Amino acid sequence: GQQLNQSPQSMFIQEGEDVSMNCTSSSIFNTWLWYKQDPGEGPVLLIALYKAGELTSNGRLTAQFGITRKDSFLNISASIPSDVGIYFCAGLQSGAGSYQLTFGKGTKLSVIP
Amino acid sequence: NAGVTQTPKFQVLKTGQSMTLQCAQDMNHEYMSWYRQDPGMGLRLIHYSVGAGITDQGEVPNGYNVSRSTTEDFPLRLLSAAPSQTSVYFCASRRGGLRDSPLHFGNGTRLTVT
Repeated sequence: GQQLNQSPQSMFIQEGEDVSMNCTSSSIFNTWLWYKQDPGEGPVLLIALYKAGELTSNGRLTAQFGITRKDSFLNISASIPSDVGIYFCAGLQSGAGSYQLTFGKGTKLSVIP
Repeated sequence: NAGVTQTPKFQVLKTGQSMTLQCAQDMNHEYMSWYRQDPGMGLRLIHYSVGAGITDQGEVPNGYNVSRSTTEDFPLRLLSAAPSQTSVYFCASRRGGLRDSPLHFGNGTRLTVT
């Protein structure tokens, strides 16, 4: 099946630092999604990207849909303690009657106050 | 607006026992699905449904049954639990008709099979 390579697997950063994570694949996707999962909770949608080259922001979060449609990155600026959690990328291939969503294995973010 | 609601939040079963994980959504979403989350494996699709009366298998369906008698509910049944089914289970839904609509997740059921 399709696979997404998400990196890094984990990162420890100081509060106030910027964070960058990315997902790559050998497959083409028509939508990229970024989710955050807090401990003991379900994943929550952060950003959805629908067009190649699209750059979208949500507060301190910025994500881009790669031009090749095979990759995406997520940046978090000026990190704060509540940014702690696991971030998942997901690539979507959809069409008439089909909806195939592939998840990366997650980036675990720890923020040191 | 409750979104996607899963019950129970925690469950411990003995090998061979059966149980049903409940999932309900109040967003009138046509599409519902079940995932399991295991360390190092990410989220894997178990079963999904594109509407009431329609279900289909995902990536890891063995050992699980589903039914979709109403738009709101999508229960997941374990007929004979095995230790390999120890996991965190997430139900998710999305709007149908919009091919790119994202999934909305519940808060999960943490299942331990001893």
